Amino acid sequence: DSGVTQTPKHLITATGQRVTLRCSPRSGDLSVYWYQQSLDQGLQFLIQYYNGEERAKGNILERFSAQQFPDLHSELNLSSLELGDSALYFCASSATATPGQGSYGYTFGSGTRLTVV
Amino acid sequence: GQNIDQPTEMTATEGAIVQINCTYQTSGFNGLFWYQQHAGEAPTFLSYNVLDGLEEKGRFSSFLSRSKGYSYLLLKELQMKDSASYLCAAVTGGFKTIFGAGTRLFVKA
Repeated sequence: DSGVTQTPKHLITATGQRVTLRCSPRSGDLSVYWYQQSLDQGLQFLIQYYNGEERAKGNILERFSAQQFPDLHSELNLSSLELGDSALYFCASSATATPGQGSYGYTFGSGTRLTVV
Repeated sequence: GQNIDQPTEMTATEGAIVQINCTYQTSGFNGLFWYQQHAGEAPTFLSYNVLDGLEEKGRFSSFLSRSKGYSYLLLKELQMKDSASYLCAAVTGGFKTIFGAGTRLFVKA
């Protein structure tokens, strides 16, 4: 157990629907990162929050949004789902705002596998 | 643009040494990560290099040359459990982490 909790582990939904993925970071970590990993593709950075504020944004679609709450858990909202959104969605956390600071990597959760049918 | 290149697949023999190369082009650079990912599982942190040179950590070592935009991960005394994908990831000047597509390593007996 990495200490980063993601729910649900699996999600099957239809095109056009909206889903919410949840992440609780490791205790003491203030940064939360969201990544998408499609089949045979690398991890695509979506967005980072640090202590409730958006810190960095990657190639996140306008149909996707995220937020980090005062208790530091984060939610990723995916709407108007398309078949191509089927992927593993990983959440990761770190203690600092800056990747690599302190020479620690991210701690990843076990991911949510989203299947859009 | 930002780009990370690493070989798609490699095969090596149990007990041997394997070197996985990674080249990167990013807007600014603030360090390079290596992660291990077993199929269907979360990536796990292996190493982080920010200065040129070799960092050794048990059977795993990672090297960085900032001037060449180049890194490698060296795995010694290969074990069957080392069969996994190895992800190279660069931290850009804007402190975003860009991951490569990963190198799938097969260790055979």
